[in-house]
Amino acid sequence: DAMVIQNPRYQVTQFGKPVTLSCSQTLNHNVMYWYQQKSSQAPKLLFHYYDKDFNNEADTPDNFQSRRPNTSFCFLDIRSPGLGDAAMYLCATSSRIAGHSYEQYFGPGTRLTVT
Amino acid sequence: QKEVEQNSGPLSVPEGAIASLNCTYSDRGSQSFFWYRQYSGKSPELIMSIYSNGDKEDGRFTAQLNKASQYVSLLIRDSQPSDSATYLCAVNALASYDKVIFGPGTSLSVIP
Repeated sequence: DAMVIQNPRYQVTQFGKPVTLSCSQTLNHNVMYWYQQKSSQAPKLLFHYYDKDFNNEADTPDNFQSRRPNTSFCFLDIRSPGLGDAAMYLCATSSRIAGHSYEQYFGPGTRLTVT
Repeated sequence: QKEVEQNSGPLSVPEGAIASLNCTYSDRGSQSFFWYRQYSGKSPELIMSIYSNGDKEDGRFTAQLNKASQYVSLLIRDSQPSDSATYLCAVNALASYDKVIFGPGTSLSVIP
């Protein structure tokens, strides 16, 4: 089945220790997103790619970076995690056709704990 | 004014009843509307997408869109305890081809 896969599902890191989260997709979608979601809040968009075009949200901290080496994979790097970065990180994909993006499909998420 | 608003709930309905979830949005030109279900500790799961005025039915779920009134709703018929979750409304952002704006979500509890 076509899907969005995130690894790891759970990540524990120490304060200030860099961490990388990965996302892969078999949907062949040209748009990929990274969201941060904290308890009882809506997902907050960090950035997204349309193909290799990177789009950063204005309020995404510099501590967060992303790479998309090819259509299928996308990575989220947190350079120096703080306690406030503990959250669920969600990867999603969608297909943009003729200037219109359709439904977003989410991966299972990575639960990040910062100690 | 928030761009996408939902009743935060919790909304409690008895098993077998109809649950009605509402969402209003501020961008009159919005064209794409989505409902996601999110169980506690899990990721959002797409339930319905709707693009045209009127009703769209899929099993026990019906999405209703009224662009003139800028609201979209989700009806869940024959509600089951397994429907207990947070329901997120999402609307396309006019300033971007790709982004959506999520509402804060409505927590639904179906009581057996």
